[in-house]
Amino acid sequence: KQEVTQIPAALSVPEGENLVLNCSFTDSAIYNLQWFRQDPGKGLTSLLLIQSSQREQTSGRLNASLDKSSGRSTLYIAASQPGDSATYLCAVARGNKLVFGAGTILRVKS
Amino acid sequence: SAVISQKPSRDICQRGTSLTIQCQVDSQVTMMFWYRQQPGQSLTLIATANQGSEATYESGFVIDKFPISRPNLTFSTLTVSNLSPEDSSIYLCSVAQGNEKLFFGSGTQLSVL
Repeated sequence: KQEVTQIPAALSVPEGENLVLNCSFTDSAIYNLQWFRQDPGKGLTSLLLIQSSQREQTSGRLNASLDKSSGRSTLYIAASQPGDSATYLCAVARGNKLVFGAGTILRVKS
Repeated sequence: SAVISQKPSRDICQRGTSLTIQCQVDSQVTMMFWYRQQPGQSLTLIATANQGSEATYESGFVIDKFPISRPNLTFSTLTVSNLSPEDSSIYLCSVAQGNEKLFFGSGTQLSVL
């Protein structure tokens, strides 16, 4: 059974800092891995999707890496801003089914 | 990207009643997914809704408790029946498009008294 773990559970940083969120999964037979952002009352927003054959994806200040063999992914946020404050979720896919981690609650202080 | 309208956004219900959540997509999609997020926990897939066939439920979820309708390719409903306080959660619908990116509705916050 696939299990997804995210560390840390919560993180508070001053504005401008670079930061890394971690995601690990137990079964490396995944189809893809996605990072989402969850804002209260606004559902989830897909940030980055990495196919199983890829090593990383970038979008603006965000960079996500994937190491399937070790069962790990990281989300790197550069030059953090207060607007980045949210819960960040990673999810691994096998077929059409996603297994989510519990999330990292990020607070960026101005 | 798909635009998903989900309603209600929140509701407070009495024990023993039912709540029906609606999900409308702005484009035709084959599969729609219903998730539950219990307080402080991650998202768990309840079922996959296909148009024209019975929904496929995940382990631990049954049709009597979570009946789903999928009358066409842009609409689905999830009913949470015989409510108890343990059903207090956020319920989300989602669809997959293109390169398997998932798009989510804004969620329904359910509180059961």
